[in-house]
Amino acid sequence: QPVLTQPPSASASLGASVTLTCTLSSGYSDYTVDWYQQRPREGPRFVMRVGTGGIVGSKGDGIPDRFSVLGSGLNRYLTIKNIQEEDESDYHCGADHGSGNNFVVFGGGTKLTVL
Amino acid sequence: QLQLQESGPGLVKPSETLSLTCTVSGGSISSNSFYWGWIRQPPGKGLEWIGSIYYSGRNHYNPSLKSRITMSVDTSKNQFSLKLSSVTAADTAVYYCARRDFWFDFWGQGTLVTVSS
Repeated sequence: QPVLTQPPSASASLGASVTLTCTLSSGYSDYTVDWYQQRPREGPRFVMRVGTGGIVGSKGDGIPDRFSVLGSGLNRYLTIKNIQEEDESDYHCGADHGSGNNFVVFGGGTKLTVL
Repeated sequence: QLQLQESGPGLVKPSETLSLTCTVSGGSISSNSFYWGWIRQPPGKGLEWIGSIYYSGRNHYNPSLKSRITMSVDTSKNQFSLKLSSVTAADTAVYYCARRDFWFDFWGQGTLVTVSS
C-alpha cells in the first residue's frame, strides 16, 4: 500500500500564498490523492482530489476558488492563495488503494498556521 | 443536507470492546452509491481509516485492525456501527463516521473515546 508523507507544519502570512505537499511513496506515481481540511475542534471536510493532471472531479462544498491543486511525479500539492484567518487548519491527504480502491490510507497531516 | 452523528460511551476499560453507532439523517443509508466508513484520530495525530461498509453488509477493514473490528448496518434505523475488541490505551482517539462516495464527502463531528481503567 502507498505511504503518504506530509510535513508536520507550515505557516504563511495573512494575504499570502502557501503550498502544502503530500508525497506518495515510490511506485505510486499514478495515484490520486484527496485533500481534507480540518479546522480546530471540527471534523474534516473534503477539499478536492488531485492527480498528475490536476483536479479530479469537483471541489468540496464551500471550498473557495483560492484553493487549487497540482500533481507532479510523486507529489500532490494544495495551494491556498490570499490566505485568510479561517484557513488555519490541519490539512490531511488520503489515497485509495487495494482491490476496488476500497482501502484508504492517510498522511500524517500538516498544521497550517496563519501569521 | 446529509448529517451523520456518532454516539457511544466516552470511556472504555482496557481489554473491553468499544462500541459506536453512527446515525444518518437527511438521506438513506441504503443508497446503492455509497460506502459508510469509520475513521479515527488519536490526540495530536493524523487520521487513520478503520473500515468501510456497504448497506448490504459488504465490508473492507484496515488490515492492521482487522482481527479486532466488526462493522454492521441497520437499514431500518438508518444506522451503522463499529465494534473494536480488546482495546488498549492506543485506541484512545476521536472516532468519526463518514459517507464515502469517491471520497469521504460527509463527516460526523466525531466522538472522543478514552480507554482507561
